[in-house]
Amino acid sequence: GQQLNQSPQSMFIQEGEDVSMNCTSSSIFNTWLWYKQDPGEGPVLLIALYKAGELTSNGRLTAQFGITRKDSFLNISASIPSDVGIYFCAGQLRGSNYKLTFGKGTLLTVNP
Amino acid sequence: GAGVSQTPSNKVTEKGKYVELRCDPISGHTALYWYRQSLGQGPEFLIYFQGTGAADDSGLPNDRFFAVRPEGSVSTLKIQRTERGDSAVYLCASSQGLAGGLETQYFGPGTRLLVL
Repeated sequence: GQQLNQSPQSMFIQEGEDVSMNCTSSSIFNTWLWYKQDPGEGPVLLIALYKAGELTSNGRLTAQFGITRKDSFLNISASIPSDVGIYFCAGQLRGSNYKLTFGKGTLLTVNP
Repeated sequence: GAGVSQTPSNKVTEKGKYVELRCDPISGHTALYWYRQSLGQGPEFLIYFQGTGAADDSGLPNDRFFAVRPEGSVSTLKIQRTERGDSAVYLCASSQGLAGGLETQYFGPGTRLLVL
């Protein structure tokens, strides 16, 4: 079953606002990944984090790998309508270098 | 093709029937994964292939599910005696398969299975 707690479940924001979502776990992860999924599509990788404490940016997106290796957050700055979608955190547990464990997702709605 | 492709995109079947779902990975990718995504949930791991062999099938829910990859490229997920609870989106992903893992997995669009 799922071992990642992702929050919030959903967010409704105005265009231009910043967004923050996070994932926590009781288990240690070797990697943290953030994916976006549009309706009818598979998840698309946004950011990958490989080291505890790592802070990585991809355009308006910034994500961090928690120092304890049990959490991660994703920030989106200056949101735009095309940011709408479901965002998933995912990770590879210590001892597994291929199997991804996913959170339940955060549904983001951006009002223009 | 440029990405992972899956067919069919949608499948409606009746309880008790047999279904096959196909995945075409990115050319040259030796690692292939199947995940299942239920409504309102994140994808859940089913099985991982390295080449032709199933390196980890620990996520398959029961013996009605099995998958093959006979030539190390295309994979087929097979579900026997389908049940209503099998209804979900079945996602396939592939990666280069280099030693050491920690690779980016590229997902296909999924097959939406509905069991009536």
